[in-house]
Amino acid sequence: GAGVSQSPSNKVTEKGKDVELRCDPISGHTALYWYRQSLGQGLEFLIYFQGNSAPDKSGLPSDRFSAERTGGSVSTLTIQRTQQEDSAVYLCASSTGTTYYEQYFGPGTRLTVT
Amino acid sequence: DAKTTQPTSMDCAEGRAANLPCNHSTISGNEYVYWYRQIHSQGPQYIIHGLKNNETNEMASLIITEDRKSSTLILPHATLRDTAVYYCIVRVGSMDTGRRALTFGSGTRLQVQP
Repeated sequence: GAGVSQSPSNKVTEKGKDVELRCDPISGHTALYWYRQSLGQGLEFLIYFQGNSAPDKSGLPSDRFSAERTGGSVSTLTIQRTQQEDSAVYLCASSTGTTYYEQYFGPGTRLTVT
Repeated sequence: DAKTTQPTSMDCAEGRAANLPCNHSTISGNEYVYWYRQIHSQGPQYIIHGLKNNETNEMASLIITEDRKSSTLILPHATLRDTAVYYCIVRVGSMDTGRRALTFGSGTRLQVQP
């Protein structure tokens, strides 16, 4: 079946611009995660959505970052006034909501802020 | 979460079995062992998980010792495409009420040789 998809695959933006990254999870998966990974580094948790519950935003690095999940499916991560330190691969993952750590990742969006 | 210890790197000949060990001596009774891998420039990929019984799926087998203090991931016929960093993590299962975000340690860099 279809896996997690993300768009765009690559995004180059100028410092100060806003960007939107999209994630389409596996159909029926109620849990959705956003992570980011800088070059050669580990996963950094950003935000977690589970069903209709309030999202866990505790990993968002600043108030320039926000995310929403509409209709319990597609999610958008928005970064306002991008900075060079925002450059990273942004990864989305989804899970069934019962086996939480069995997460399926998308291919990621490589964000480069110039 | 229980701490895991994995060798830094391993080599394996193409077509042979790759056996990747993981020590988790402080694992508690309700913690599962999960394995992920990350191929260069791709998002993490879930492989398999288990509690105490050995598990097998289309990708790999997971052998957990009787005392649960260590486990081995087995790729039965390694191919060049299995070259990746393999991560063993230990997490509480579905009753966990925490953030449920994944964090990876250093993992084992598996190089499959032609």
